[in-house]
Amino acid sequence: GEDVEQSLFLSVREGDSSVINCTYTDSSSTYLYWYKQEPGAGLQLLTYIFSNMDMKQDQRLTVLLNKKDKHLSLRIADTQTGDSAIYFCAEIHTGGFKTIFGAGTRLFVKA
Amino acid sequence: GAVVSQHPSWVICKSGTSVKIECRSLDFQATTMFWYRQFPKQSLMLMATSNEGSKATYEQGVEKDKFLINHASLTLSTLTVTSAHPEDSSFYICSASMLRAEKLFFGSGTQLSVL
Repeated sequence: GEDVEQSLFLSVREGDSSVINCTYTDSSSTYLYWYKQEPGAGLQLLTYIFSNMDMKQDQRLTVLLNKKDKHLSLRIADTQTGDSAIYFCAEIHTGGFKTIFGAGTRLFVKA
Repeated sequence: GAVVSQHPSWVICKSGTSVKIECRSLDFQATTMFWYRQFPKQSLMLMATSNEGSKATYEQGVEKDKFLINHASLTLSTLTVTSAHPEDSSFYICSASMLRAEKLFFGSGTQLSVL
């Protein structure tokens, strides 16, 4: 079945890099996403990667995809206190539009 | 990026009353809209998928008579929680996508508290 797993908690110091990991089970996934959710708010699309890519960089964000191991990671460089939020990994299947979300990783940034 | 507006942001109601939540795509036509429920410290749970002009497809375990979804236009979908009870208290979020687009754009969510 379809499943997306991620660690539930990550704590880093301000200025350090954060790495949030995610594994998925469905090899037919075509798009993989990272969303950010701040308290009491909806989800904000941070970045996404096509399944035929290995890496995507967007300013402080770097997404790495290991399709063989079905492993996705999000690296946030120079993490700031404003990055404290819940980060959701998600996958979508072409044509179905059904998005499968992980449980979310709570990132705490200590000043 | 595309904007999805969701109202109200929060609502408190008495048990037994009905509550309507609106989800609007402001600058694009949303052929498909999704409704989610999120419990504290948990992930999103997909409730239903609605396509403009047709009946919503509900996920297993979601009562269609309890959670009425209407997607009458390409820019508006509504979720009505009928005869709300305290166990319906939750954070409800909508999302929308364009035709043949694999990006989802989310509303800001509605916190429902049923007393």
